[in-house]
Amino acid sequence: DAKTTQPNSMESNEEEPVHLPCNHSTISGTDYIHWYRQLPSQGPEYVIHGLTSNVNNRMASLAIAEDRKSSTLILHRATLRDAAVYYCILRAIYTGNQFYFGTGTSLTVIP
Amino acid sequence: NAGVTQTPKFRVLKTGQSMTLLCAQDMNHEYMYWYRQDPGMGLRLIHYSVGEGTTAKGEVPDGYNVSRLKKQNFLLGLESAAPSQTSVYFCASSYIGGEDYEQYFGPGTRLTVT
Repeated sequence: DAKTTQPNSMESNEEEPVHLPCNHSTISGTDYIHWYRQLPSQGPEYVIHGLTSNVNNRMASLAIAEDRKSSTLILHRATLRDAAVYYCILRAIYTGNQFYFGTGTSLTVIP
Repeated sequence: NAGVTQTPKFRVLKTGQSMTLLCAQDMNHEYMYWYRQDPGMGLRLIHYSVGEGTTAKGEVPDGYNVSRLKKQNFLLGLESAAPSQTSVYFCASSYIGGEDYEQYFGPGTRLTVT
């Protein structure tokens, strides 16, 4: 199964950009890269996903390396509400669309 | 829409007791999933279903059974609870695969087995 590697924790100052890295060196050509976040005492929620090209939405941007072995989630201006655990997940579309969560990165936002 | 709901929110069981966790979704999703999350860990897939009447094993299926008799409901059963099953259980649902794929998660059920 494809796996991801993320730093255990990161800190950011409020209203500054945050770059959350993820390594996925065993990614296959058909695996999608998904990011979810989990606020304290809640279920995970979708942030963004992509396959090969960089992606932007209202919450964040996803930058995918050309060889797809790594990606970076970019929060353009961190707010206190962005403090959460961020999971980088690979979705294998030919094995039931299962998600394999790692331990994620715990983001602390400093006021 | 309520989205994904889970019943109950909290439960304490004694070793050897049985219980069923209920997950319901009102988004007409085909896929449904059960995960467990242990302290400080990410979520691990227990079982999943790709449609009414079908189920499949995930990463950690031992000690659990599931049923999907109705499209909107996915039940997770523990026949003989063990302390190792103390965890937070999350249910999720999604449309069938494709590009726009998003899993919607419920609020979780916190289970303690003593």
